[in-house]
Formats: sequence, C-alpha cells, structure tokens
Amino acid sequence: DAGVTQSPTHLIKTRGQHVTLRCSPISGHKSVSWYQQVLGQGPQFIFQYYEKEERGRGNFPDRFSARQFPNYSSELNVNALLLGDSALYLCASSFGLAREQYFGPGTRLTVT
Amino acid sequence: QKEVEQNSGPLSVPEGAIASLNCTYSDRGSQSFFWYRQYSGKSPELIMFIYSNGDKEDGRFTAQLNKASQYVSLLIRDSQPSDSATYLCAVTTPGGTYKYIFGTGTRLKVLA
Repeated sequence: DAGVTQSPTHLIKTRGQHVTLRCSPISGHKSVSWYQQVLGQGPQFIFQYYEKEERGRGNFPDRFSARQFPNYSSELNVNALLLGDSALYLCASSFGLAREQYFGPGTRLTVT
Repeated sequence: QKEVEQNSGPLSVPEGAIASLNCTYSDRGSQSFFWYRQYSGKSPELIMFIYSNGDKEDGRFTAQLNKASQYVSLLIRDSQPSDSATYLCAVTTPGGTYKYIFGTGTRLKVLA
C-alpha cells in the first residue's frame, strides 16, 4: 500500500514569494496534519484537517494556510516567505482525530 | 515549562542492552501518546502509540503510560546499532481543537 506522499521533494524560493506544498494521505485516512521541522527540533504542529474542515491550528502566523480536498489530499500555502521559513515541511495522515499519524517524506524548503 | 519534555541525550547503550527513553508532559488532559523514530535526514516513523494507562508491547518495544505522573516511556529491548536514531515523543491536547505536541527528541546511540 502507498504511504503518505508529498510534493515537491525540494524547493528553493526567494523572500517574499509564495509557496504551495502538496500531500496525499494513506488510502482510507480522512485526516491530514502539517508540521514544520527545523534542525535539532521536534516537528512543530501547523494545522490538522479532518473531513475537509480545520480541526486544529498551531502557533503560526496567518501567512500559513491550508485546505483539504474532497479526496482528502491537502495543500499548505505560505505567503510572503521569510528566511526563517526555511525548514522541512512534513505532512502526516491519520484515520481520525487524536489518532496515530504516519508521516510522508517531507518537502525541504529553502528561502534565500 | 515546555509542554513535552525529553532529555536530548545522547543516550548511549551497548548492543543487546535495554534502552529506556522518557518523556513528561504538562497538560494533564492529554489524550493520546506516541513515539516516533527519526533517522538523520529522514521523516519520523511511528514506533508505538498508547491511549490508556499501563504498558503496551510490540516486539522489542514497550510503551509505558502513567497519566497520574504525566510521563510516558519507551523501552527498547535487545538494542541494535540500527536503533541509533532520535526518538520523538508526541502527545495530543484535549479540547475542541486538536494539537499534536512533539518533544525535541532524545538521541540514542547503540554501541556495537
């Protein structure tokens, strides 16, 4: 069975630009969460979506937004990129809320 | 006080020994508890999840949850060099919105 997939694998953007990251969950999973991970830290929770509704939000500015589609795939959008947004962005899927999550390989974003 | 605390390590154990990893959390209402393994440059991999007080065993891994003392631990029996990685503890917060809070991880080194 296919696991969580994310695209692109790597991305280089310039400050001020916008970026869209994509995620497809494990088949049958209805929830997708997004995380930001910088070197030496644990993943920081950004959003959780369940059945196309936002069900959880971490302490990130409004420049970060997301949505979930009817097929349960998801997009994370980040506007007005800052150098500090450089990180590994992880997507995780789960069957339901507060359930075990499985991570995708991540998207490495570099902002120059 | 951090919401989820782990000793950063490194924790060094000889091959074949038991590795004991600990995690404490601050929110007494936390519902679900997870252990992930993360190799350098890779995404987190789910090792164990536990939802109720007590022990849960899966192969060489045992998760222990004590809600009264607000800690969760992971025991790895017969440690192998391939177990050398960073181990992340995560908890979910209760309430109307859901958040997954990760610790910063404990680096484990299994010495051959």
